[in-house]
Amino acid sequence: AQSVTQPDIHITVSEGASLELRCNYSYGATPYLFWYVQSPGQGLQLLLKYFSGDTLVQGIKGFEAEFKRSQSSFNLRKPSVHWSDAAEYFCAVGGNKLVFGAGTILRVKS
Amino acid sequence: NAGVTQTPKFQVLKTGQSMTLQCAQDMNHNSMYWYRQDPGMGLRLIYYSASEGTTDKGEVPNGYNVSRLNKREFSLRLESAAPSQTSVYFCASSETTSGGTGELFFGEGSRLTVL
Repeated sequence: AQSVTQPDIHITVSEGASLELRCNYSYGATPYLFWYVQSPGQGLQLLLKYFSGDTLVQGIKGFEAEFKRSQSSFNLRKPSVHWSDAAEYFCAVGGNKLVFGAGTILRVKS
Repeated sequence: NAGVTQTPKFQVLKTGQSMTLQCAQDMNHNSMYWYRQDPGMGLRLIYYSASEGTTDKGEVPNGYNVSRLNKREFSLRLESAAPSQTSVYFCASSETTSGGTGELFFGEGSRLTVL
């Protein structure tokens, strides 16, 4: 069965610092992988996705993620965090339906 | 382009009442989904419909029913609401590729409180 683990419930980083959000998945075949972001009171917005090909994928708002098959991971990174990045981030793995992780809440210190 | 539209956005029910959440998409997507979001649990799939005329259970289907009325519309019904169904409900749609589901497009959510 598909499953997604986001080990960090909360992360706090200083504005301008780098960010890495962890995601580990379990899936029986080559997965479709996604990162979504949710601002308070809003729906979910797609940041980036991996279907195949280059294992380093670029997304919106300066985010990137790297697919590592050997580690079953799809970690999200950003070189320099902005205060507007404060939100909840969800990793998801897809077959015929998407399964989401529990989410990581990002707080940004000024 | 409206994308995915959910109604109502807010609803308060008493235990035992029934209600239907409506969802419509205008992107001509084959697949539609209902998720619930609870703090610390992410989004959990209630039901999904891979194509018009088909529906399947997700992770947490108990207490819910769905109808794929046509390609555009996918409704979620609570027949006898319980406090445990207090949640934020999201409808989503996607194209389905040969390898699996594509990107999900989400509605803005429906906040349901059951007293």
